[in-house]
Amino acid sequence: QVQLQESGPGLVKPSQTLTLSCTITGGSVSSGSYFWTWIRQPAGKGPEWIGRLHPSGRTNYNPSLKSRVTISMDTSKNQFSLKLNSVTAADTAMYYCARAVGVTMDYWGQGTLVTVSS
Amino acid sequence: DIQMTQSPSSLSASVGDRVTITCRASQSVASNLNWYQQKSGKAPNLLIYATSSLQSGVPSRFSASGFGTDFTLTISSLQPEDFGTYFCQQSDSTPYSFGQGTKLEIK
Repeated sequence: QVQLQESGPGLVKPSQTLTLSCTITGGSVSSGSYFWTWIRQPAGKGPEWIGRLHPSGRTNYNPSLKSRVTISMDTSKNQFSLKLNSVTAADTAMYYCARAVGVTMDYWGQGTLVTVSS
Repeated sequence: DIQMTQSPSSLSASVGDRVTITCRASQSVASNLNWYQQKSGKAPNLLIYATSSLQSGVPSRFSASGFGTDFTLTISSLQPEDFGTYFCQQSDSTPYSFGQGTKLEIK
């Protein structure tokens, strides 16, 4: 059974870059059957889709974040990563990584809380 | 972007009740609509995909229907473990978007 685990700093200063990784076990990040996805959820609100990466290199990003976000993969570590530049307090949220089969996100990580504060 | 609106935002029901949650899209998403259950401190858990297909392991008391802009999730006989927040999510076009959630409490 596939499992995903997010990792990264829980506190990021305003204007800096948020970097998170998602480690996959029980599956391969190189599999062409899946999209690797990042979602975030501010406290008390609905989730927000950030973007996704296919092993072919194809990416799709939320236009609201597109100028600041990059999703990439590291096949040697069986991981994919999220970079979000120029963060503000509005980027404070629980961040989740997920696997998508086609358009359906079927497996999610447990999430990691990121707070943007000086 | 497609906006998803759920109703009600919260509800309280008793064990054994039939519960229905609705989700409306700001434009047609065809049958590309998914439902998730989220419990406090946990990641959302996929319940139903493509409008009405039950994810593996999800009890048959959950069902869903709809097409285009209007969708429903039904729990036929509410169980104590069904408390939590339910989200709809459209997967018709990126950016995929979620509803604001319906918080279900057990009386």
